[in-house]
Amino acid sequence: QQPVQSPQAVILREGEDAVINCSSSKALYSVHWYRQKHGEAPVFLMILLKGGEQKGHDKISASFNEKKQQSSLYLTASQLSYSGTYFCGTAYNAGGTSYGKLTFGQGTILTVHP
Amino acid sequence: ETGVTQTPRHLVMGMTNKKSLKCEQHLGHNAMYWYKQSAKKPLELMFVYNFKEQTENNSVPSRFSPECPNSSHLFLHLHTLQPEDSALYLCASSQDPPRALYEQYFGPGTRLTVT
Repeated sequence: QQPVQSPQAVILREGEDAVINCSSSKALYSVHWYRQKHGEAPVFLMILLKGGEQKGHDKISASFNEKKQQSSLYLTASQLSYSGTYFCGTAYNAGGTSYGKLTFGQGTILTVHP
Repeated sequence: ETGVTQTPRHLVMGMTNKKSLKCEQHLGHNAMYWYKQSAKKPLELMFVYNFKEQTENNSVPSRFSPECPNSSHLFLHLHTLQPEDSALYLCASSQDPPRALYEQYFGPGTRLTVT
């Protein structure tokens, strides 16, 4: 089952913050976040495993709420380079059976203006 | 050459043609993937290979035929495609085993148009 991302689109000015959510109706094992710029390959941002951890990467961080089966991506003090489509990819099986099978959300288009 | 490369970058083919997409990874990974990305649709996993063995076929029509001769190369053979198969086809690789614990590195994709 495909995870649901919200919002579908965000428009920001440089320096503003944004949150992108990824929700699942099934128990999550891991959540991947990727960013894809127009005409380019998706680029890996981070992975979160079940356990409610939070990760950070420069001014981009993410959390995993196991109770809600939801991950959130936080972009703070946004820069023009943050523009792109953000995808979450979710895996549902544990114990080595998922074989890398990720189910991706529909994407959130983030546009940062000067 | 580094990362994941794909050729050709653009392909236009008729419904009766046969063509192949090629993917090569230079990252020392043993798991490789094919994805389909259509307009306004999520990325769809098509196939997963681990150490040249196919471990996942996500109910893909037989007109798409993957081949993985070694851990560095992955092909997608196409024949008698339909216009709805027009999409961006992305290849990715990751460390093994591909248990969704490792990040996937994507190639730039092949933009396929079926006429």
